[in-house]
Amino acid sequence: NAGVTQTPKFRILKIGQSMTLQCTQDMNHNYMYWYRQDPGMGLKLIYYSVGAGITDKGEVPNGYNVSRSTTEDFPLRLELAAPSQTSVYFCASNVDRVEDGYTFGSGTRLTVV
Amino acid sequence: AQSVTQPDIHITVSEGASLELRCNYSYGATPYLFWYVQSPGQGLQLLLKYFSGDTLVQGIKGFEAEFKRSQSSFNLRKPSVHWSDAAEYFCAVGGPGYSTLTFGKGTMLLVSP
Repeated sequence: NAGVTQTPKFRILKIGQSMTLQCTQDMNHNYMYWYRQDPGMGLKLIYYSVGAGITDKGEVPNGYNVSRSTTEDFPLRLELAAPSQTSVYFCASNVDRVEDGYTFGSGTRLTVV
Repeated sequence: AQSVTQPDIHITVSEGASLELRCNYSYGATPYLFWYVQSPGQGLQLLLKYFSGDTLVQGIKGFEAEFKRSQSSFNLRKPSVHWSDAAEYFCAVGGPGYSTLTFGKGTMLLVSP
């Protein structure tokens, strides 16, 4: 049981490039989330999904896209990378009860230059 | 809307001394409250949670927290800090009708010899 797996762990992008951050979970969780973490700013919600085929915007969705075609996978897409997207990105999941809290992945550190 | 305030950005505690990290929340009804810990370069790990019942909750690694509705607080405590407790600590709030958690900006704990 691997939990929440994020790939890659590190990535450097040039301005204007695109990439997909991968997130997969093997716990049959319905809810999945993407957060970004910036120093001194805590975690801000980018997008979330409450089940396959359902996604919704969080606090900071601009510049990102998501899809949820299966229960296991919730990729985050950056179409035109900008320096403001330099951050650490965390994927998390939850069975379907917020009161249980989240299980987090280990993060992807992205630098846009 | 739900929100969390962690008033202390950094706290330094001597090893063996007691610890209290502050968390204040804003939420219309009885909230779900969480404390997470993040070691350098790692994801977030759940320390403890409250969503009903006894207002003093016990967590892992010897931590506890007390929910005080009158003060809208959920402070984290530990009677004797170990050097391995040095990390960043995040308080989070959620509740019925919400599918997501809102995180505070975090408190960095430094442990001095």
